[in-house]
Amino acid sequence: GQNIDQPTEMTATEGAIVQINCTYQTSGFNGLFWYQQHAGEAPTFLSYNVLDGLEEKGRFSSFLSRSKGYSYLLLKELQMKDSASYLCAVVSGDYKLSFGAGTTVTVRA
Amino acid sequence: NAGVTQTPKFQVLKTGQSMTLQCAQDMNHEYMSWYRQDPGMGLRLIHYSVGAGITDQGEVPNGYNVSRSTTEDFPLRLLSAAPSQTSVYFCASSLYGGTGANVLTFGAGSRLTVL
Repeated sequence: GQNIDQPTEMTATEGAIVQINCTYQTSGFNGLFWYQQHAGEAPTFLSYNVLDGLEEKGRFSSFLSRSKGYSYLLLKELQMKDSASYLCAVVSGDYKLSFGAGTTVTVRA
Repeated sequence: NAGVTQTPKFQVLKTGQSMTLQCAQDMNHEYMSWYRQDPGMGLRLIHYSVGAGITDQGEVPNGYNVSRSTTEDFPLRLLSAAPSQTSVYFCASSLYGGTGANVLTFGAGSRLTVL
């Protein structure tokens, strides 16, 4: 199986920046996803990285370093609606998708 | 275009009862899957299917059955419910399995309690 680690909780202030780290160990690698999940709702797709570097999508950016087994999700200009759980998920060499336990981000006014 | 539809949204069972969670998608997705989500744990794959007539086991398949007779439907059956199966269940689909960039569309979830 895969080993995916991310912090359990993070708190930040409205308008600030938060960086959610994800480290992984996997047999083979075919990409890394970030999903957002609001309480009581389904996860929704945020980003996908398969090559090293930074992918930017509006206020959200995702970074990948394959050699370090490391990714981060950067949330800029935080808004109250960004309070949610953020799930890191890794696609292994046999194209199986494994999820981390998720990081709950709380945005305070 | 409804996406992925799961029913029921909530269910309470007694130990030993059986039931079926329904999942249907109208996006012509080949790949469908069932996950369970428990506090403090990531989404764990129960069963998946890469096309009609084809199913395979995921990480935690024991106690669950699936079938895929059509592209649209992928029901999950609990054979004899146990308290350990109390969880939130998500059905998810994507265009194809077996690729890296396989963006999943999730259903709204089914919250199951087994007493």
